[in-house]
Amino acid sequence: DAMVIQNPRYQVTQFGKPVTLSCSQTLNHNVMYWYQQKSSQAPKLLFHYYDKDFNNEADTPDNFQSRRPNTSFCFLDIRSPGLGDAAMYLCATSRVPRDRGRYEQYFGPGTRLTVT
Amino acid sequence: AQTVTQSQPEMSVQEAETVTLSCTYDTSESDYYLFWYKQPPSRQMILVIRQEAYKQQNATENRFSVNFQKAAKSFSLKISDSQLGDAAMYFCAYRSEYTGANSKLTFGKGITLSVRP
Repeated sequence: DAMVIQNPRYQVTQFGKPVTLSCSQTLNHNVMYWYQQKSSQAPKLLFHYYDKDFNNEADTPDNFQSRRPNTSFCFLDIRSPGLGDAAMYLCATSRVPRDRGRYEQYFGPGTRLTVT
Repeated sequence: AQTVTQSQPEMSVQEAETVTLSCTYDTSESDYYLFWYKQPPSRQMILVIRQEAYKQQNATENRFSVNFQKAAKSFSLKISDSQLGDAAMYFCAYRSEYTGANSKLTFGKGITLSVRP
């Protein structure tokens, strides 16, 4: 089945130790998104890739970076995790058509990050 | 900028009964899409139902239906014959009718629905 896969599902890192979260998709979608979701809150968009074009949200801290080496994979790098970065990180994809049209985002299961 | 408001943080429903989750939004645009997403505890967020703003007919997906009131900027979700598996956090979301690099979802704060057996 076509899907969005996130690895690992649970990640524990130490304060200040760089960590990378992974997302892959078999949907061949051209847009990939990274969200941060804290407990009982709505997802907060960090950034997204439209093909190879990176689009950062204005309020995303510099501590968060992303890479998309190819269509299928996208990585979230947290350079120096703080305690406040503990959250669920969701990856989502969508196929944005050239013209106006309906499309939706498909979400992965998320990676729960704990910072000790 | 668009905003989405879900004013009820929690709701509860008896199994087999009907519940309505409220959502209002604010936009100056005329073309847009509205969504309800479901996120069960520790599980994946999935799309429940979608409504195109240009359609007058309310969307329906099996036990899920919406009441879309464009003039009032209201988009409520009705769940009929509630099941235990409906227990989850539900998010209302808005997307502008726009394609390209800046297209994104605006989420409400979500509502936690519990289902009583």
